[in-house]
Amino acid sequence: DAGVTQSPTHLIKTRGQQVTLRCSPKSGHDTVSWYQQALGQGPQFIFQYYEEEERQRGNFPDRFSGHQFPNYSSELNVNALLLGDSALYLCASSSSGLAGEIYNEQFFGPGTRLTVL
Amino acid sequence: DQQVKQNSPSLSVQEGRISILNCDYTNSMFDYFLWYKKYPAEGPTFLISISSIKDKNEDGRFTVFLNKSAKHLSLHIVPSQPGDSAVYFCAASADYGGSQGNLIFGKGTKLSVKP
Repeated sequence: DAGVTQSPTHLIKTRGQQVTLRCSPKSGHDTVSWYQQALGQGPQFIFQYYEEEERQRGNFPDRFSGHQFPNYSSELNVNALLLGDSALYLCASSSSGLAGEIYNEQFFGPGTRLTVL
Repeated sequence: DQQVKQNSPSLSVQEGRISILNCDYTNSMFDYFLWYKKYPAEGPTFLISISSIKDKNEDGRFTVFLNKSAKHLSLHIVPSQPGDSAVYFCAASADYGGSQGNLIFGKGTKLSVKP
């Protein structure tokens, strides 16, 4: 059973460019969340997608946008890249079904390392 | 202002001994807490969780303790093994029972278990 996959693994862009990162959730999962992890920091929540719509959003500017497809895969788009956007971008998937008291923990992919020059 | 704090950037422990990783939080609305382990070049891996209605949860060598009055939780690893060497992240959610919620992470503690 494949876990969460992300592409590409590494990416180098220059300031002002646009980038698209991709994520395929774990089999059976329908919710995708995106996180940004800067060096020496914990992951920071960007937004979450469920049923092809943005359900929650963290404190990130509109330059960060996303999309979820009918097969539950997702894309993260960042426009007008800044040097400060250099980070590891993590995708996490989870199931929307609640089972009693069991919280459906998020499963993370290996991330995409974005470097902005 | 950080809502989830891991005040120890690193911890070194001898193999076979207990590792105790600590986490403090400020938001009293947090109702679910998780610990993740991260190896280099990999995404965080879920370890163990606890809801705010409990004060302890065990899974094999891993035990998480929650002290709501102190807004403090800890992860105990007994016995520690060299393969446990990784960065450990504490995370919290205020949306248990809702839409899965977004996770608020601490900065992590790097655990080194020496043979």
